[in-house]
Amino acid sequence: EVQLLESGGGLVEPGASRRLSCAGSGFPFSSYTMSWVRHAPGKGLGWVSAISESGSITSQADSVKGRFTISRDNSRNTLYLQMNSLRAEDTAVYYCATGDRNSGWLHWGQGTLVTVSS
Amino acid sequence: QSVLTQPPSASGTPGQTVTISCSGSSSNIGSNYVHWYQHLPGTAPKLLVYRNNQRPSGVPDRFSGSKSGTSVALAISGLQSEDEADYYCAAWDDSLTGYVFGTGTKVTVL
Repeated sequence: EVQLLESGGGLVEPGASRRLSCAGSGFPFSSYTMSWVRHAPGKGLGWVSAISESGSITSQADSVKGRFTISRDNSRNTLYLQMNSLRAEDTAVYYCATGDRNSGWLHWGQGTLVTVSS
Repeated sequence: QSVLTQPPSASGTPGQTVTISCSGSSSNIGSNYVHWYQHLPGTAPKLLVYRNNQRPSGVPDRFSGSKSGTSVALAISGLQSEDEADYYCAAWDDSLTGYVFGTGTKVTVL
């Protein structure tokens, strides 16, 4: 059974940093493109960042470019999202998901809530 | 960044068919696959349709997708109460070199 388990969310102050993790199991982690998608309260879904199978290619939404960094450790079957210079508008539930532009995001984690507030 | 446009709401009675539109441009829908997601806030989104009109295993055939030019549509036939949720289209955008979501449509079963 495919499982994705996010962790690392919590309450953080504006301007602070936070690292999210997503542990995968039940599938060949290193064979899948991975993404982070977020859902801000009262708003729609928004794509955050994606990373290729090997980690050599990454892409980010303009809203997080220069502040968020996606990475992965295939030896640990874990995806990361390093979030710096956090803003109130980054408050959201963050989901990790498997898949790419051709397949869509089939498997999702349960999400982790990040609240940016003083 | 939402560059795909959906109606904010749609509704129908049980058994009816509801169709949700999603409009984009040549850099996203016009040149890439579109996928549809069902989302109940507080739960993980669910992939309903991929590659414009394909259904993942386990998704009922009541859900169907279609594409024409720079627009796509999701039809939900035989509407059921459990279909009440938010629905999103999504695609890769060649100009933005990133994924874009639709604005989302809330489906209500009357």
